Parts: sequence; C-alpha cells; structure tokens
Amino acid sequence: SQKIEQNSEALNIQEGKTATLTCNYTNYSPAYLQWYRQDPGRGPVFLLLIRENEKEKRKERLKVTFDTTLKQSLFHITASQPADSATYLCAAGSSASKIIFGSGTRLSIRP
Amino acid sequence: KAGVTQTPRYLIKTRGQQVTLSCSPISGHRSVSWYQQTPGQGLQFLFEYFSETQRNKGNFPGRFSGRQFSNSRSEMNVSTLELGDSALYLCASSLTPGQATDTQYFGPGTRLTVL
Repeated sequence: SQKIEQNSEALNIQEGKTATLTCNYTNYSPAYLQWYRQDPGRGPVFLLLIRENEKEKRKERLKVTFDTTLKQSLFHITASQPADSATYLCAAGSSASKIIFGSGTRLSIRP
Repeated sequence: KAGVTQTPRYLIKTRGQQVTLSCSPISGHRSVSWYQQTPGQGLQFLFEYFSETQRNKGNFPGRFSGRQFSNSRSEMNVSTLELGDSALYLCASSLTPGQATDTQYFGPGTRLTVL
C-alpha cells in the first residue's frame, strides 16, 4: 500500500543549527510533496510545496528537496530558533489520488 | 478572508451515541476534506467532497459518513460511537481537489472525546 514515512518521531537540536527532517514514500509516485507545521491543539499550517520535476524549493529559512530516485524529501530549517519547535508533517499527493500524510516529526529547538 | 471554521471545538459523548461535526471552508473553496488525527495513527484521511460529491474515501467503517452542501459547507457524522473514535477531527478546504498547486487550509479541529 502507499506509504509516507517520516523516519524520526522526534528531533532535538541546538538553536542556530540546521534542522533536517526526512520524508520517504513507498509504492507511490506523487506528483508533489507538501510540508506542514502543526502546533499543539491546532490544525496543520501549509509551509511549502515541491513538484516532482523540481529538485529544490526555498522560502526564507526553509528549504525542501525532492529526490524521485531515492523516493525522499528533505526539509531543512536553517538558523533554527526555539519558535520553530513544532510537529512537521510531510504529505504526498497527485491528481489521481488523495493526499497521504506522514505521522510527523516533533522538532524541539533548545536555546 | 476568514479561515476554515469548525464547530463545535470540543465535544464529549458516550459510547453508542452519534455525533455531527460541521466545517465551513474558506469562501470560494469548493473542496473539503476530513481527517482523523490520533497520537498513534497520525493524520488519517476520512473523505473528500467537491461540488457536493464524495470524490475520495479513506479506509474507515461505514459508521463514518459525510456530506457537502451547495454552499460548500460540510458535515461529518459518526454513528454508534466507540472509545477508539476519540480524536481530533480536522477539516481542510482547498480551491479544487488534487491539483499540484492546491494548498489545503486546515481548520482548528474538533476534539471529540468518547467516554
């Protein structure tokens, strides 16, 4: 079955470092991948979308890559801050099927 | 522009009861999706509606149903509640379904507790 896996359930890093989150997909060829941020008690908030024909996308301190050979997306937060602490969700979709979400990675940035 | 609204925000029910949750999408959005989120299972897709028609359905039992009205507002219903139905139910709206550029905007969710 189609599966989206975010390898790390939790990630703790020092403020100022780059946080790198991983999203892998199996039995699926998504047309795009999305990354969301979710704070406790709130709905996910869209951050970035990357299409299958794009290698990399940037937005301020955020960068996402899409490697169709490795079937993987990496999500980077540079110069991380405590305010970046949240759960980050990866989602994959195509025009033919529903969006599938990963289980999320809980990121904690310590001062 | 107002965001996605969900009512009620919190709900406590007992086993065997039924519940109806409501979602109002962003103005102009015609696609509404519902998700169940639990600590163990993450975000699980329930169903998606577009122009009052169910376009996709997840792997949930028939106790879970939904509908969409002509104004794009959507409701989901869960009958014969079970303890395992306790979860955060999220609604998301988008302009059109399945497009690569189409972002989903999530509501704050309804926290359902089944006792």
